[in-house]
Order: sequence, then structure tokens, then C-alpha cells
Amino acid sequence: EAQVTQNPRYLITVTGKKLTVTCSQNMNHEYMSWYRQDPGLGLRQIYYSMNVEVTDKGDVPEGYKVSRKEKRNFPLILESPSPNQTSLYFCASSLLAGASTQYFGPGTRLLVL
Amino acid sequence: AQTVTQSQPEMSVQEAETVTLSCTYDTSESDYYLFWYKQPPSRQMILVIRQEAYKQQNATENRFSVNFQKAAKSFSLKISDSQLGDAAMYFCAYRINLETSGSRLTFGEGTQLTVNP
Repeated sequence: EAQVTQNPRYLITVTGKKLTVTCSQNMNHEYMSWYRQDPGLGLRQIYYSMNVEVTDKGDVPEGYKVSRKEKRNFPLILESPSPNQTSLYFCASSLLAGASTQYFGPGTRLLVL
Repeated sequence: AQTVTQSQPEMSVQEAETVTLSCTYDTSESDYYLFWYKQPPSRQMILVIRQEAYKQQNATENRFSVNFQKAAKSFSLKISDSQLGDAAMYFCAYRINLETSGSRLTFGEGTQLTVNP
């Protein structure tokens, strides 16, 4: 089944404790992206990747890192989480950038205390 | 910068009736795509319908159809014969058709749709 998976789905952590949210897709998509969803703000892009080893900042990159060492994986790293990073996070992928439809993972709900 | 606006934070409809959700956007580009995504309580983002800006014909997917007015930069979603399973948050989104632009989806704030039995 074609899908985007994320782990963990739920995470409670404390300020400053490094964490990684994994994202994997099995559709051989070149483009992958991370979004965060906050009430009243819709979804906002954090980082994106056009292909392996090609990543760039989105609209709200502060406090986040990403890497794209393999085509299928695009982990989101929070080196020192803070309470303002409490949010719902989505990974998405599409065959290409531009016209391709983006498909979303199930979301990761993060609470930073 | 592109913006997407959904002016209706909440809408409700009776089961089997028709409802229209509004969306406007602002862009200086001519080649772009518009989407409606549905987010049920499970929080999964589900693609409902997609419209290419270069197409004059409005997209349709079963009970879902859009009214795309390019000059007015309007992109409304009509749900016919509403069902209880349609209850969800609906997001309008825009994506420019440029490989080098970051290709982000720009989302509106969302409209929470309630379907009453």
C-alpha cells in the first residue's frame, strides 16, 4: 500500500531533550516536506527536500533540522525542544515538486513541557 | 507572497443537503494548483479535490465539486448530499507550479464542517 508513515504518533517530552520524528514514504517520491499545524493558522511548512541531499527552509524553520540521506526517509530533528514547538506535525511527499499532489502522513502530536 | 483565506471558521449542514465552503487566494502567478483537503477527527489529511489553474472546467469528484473563478481568485467547495462522514475540518490550499520555488502548499485557516442528522 502506498503510504507515508510517521513515528512516533504521540510524544510528550521536556524542554531541551533532543528528539527525532521519523518520516518514510514507499512511493519513490522525490519531494518531501514537513509541516506543523497550529489552531487558527492552518499548516505551515517547516522544511522541504527536492531530492536526496537537497533540503531547504520553509516558512517556519527555526528550532528544527532535517536530513535526506535516502530517498524514502526525511526525519525531523528538534535539537532542543521548547514549549512553543508543541504542535501537530505532518510529513508529506509528492512525486515531484510543482504540480504533483502532496500525500500526507498520519501526523505526530508533540507536547513539550 | 501567496495567501489563502477561508472566511468561514465554522459551517453546518443538514444531512442530505448541500453546503458550500468558501476560499479566496492571492497570487501574482498564473500557473498554480488549488486543493481541498479534509481533516477528520483522526487528524489525517485527506485530499478531496484538485484544480489546475489552466483548466477552465471545474473539477468534480463524486459529491464534491468546485467553483473556480480565476479572475476573482475564488475557489469554493460544494458538497452535495452531505453525509455524516463529511464532518471534518476542510482546508483550502494553493501550490505554485514551479519546481524551484520550494513548492510549499499554502493553507487557509480551515473551516470546521458539522453535519446534523
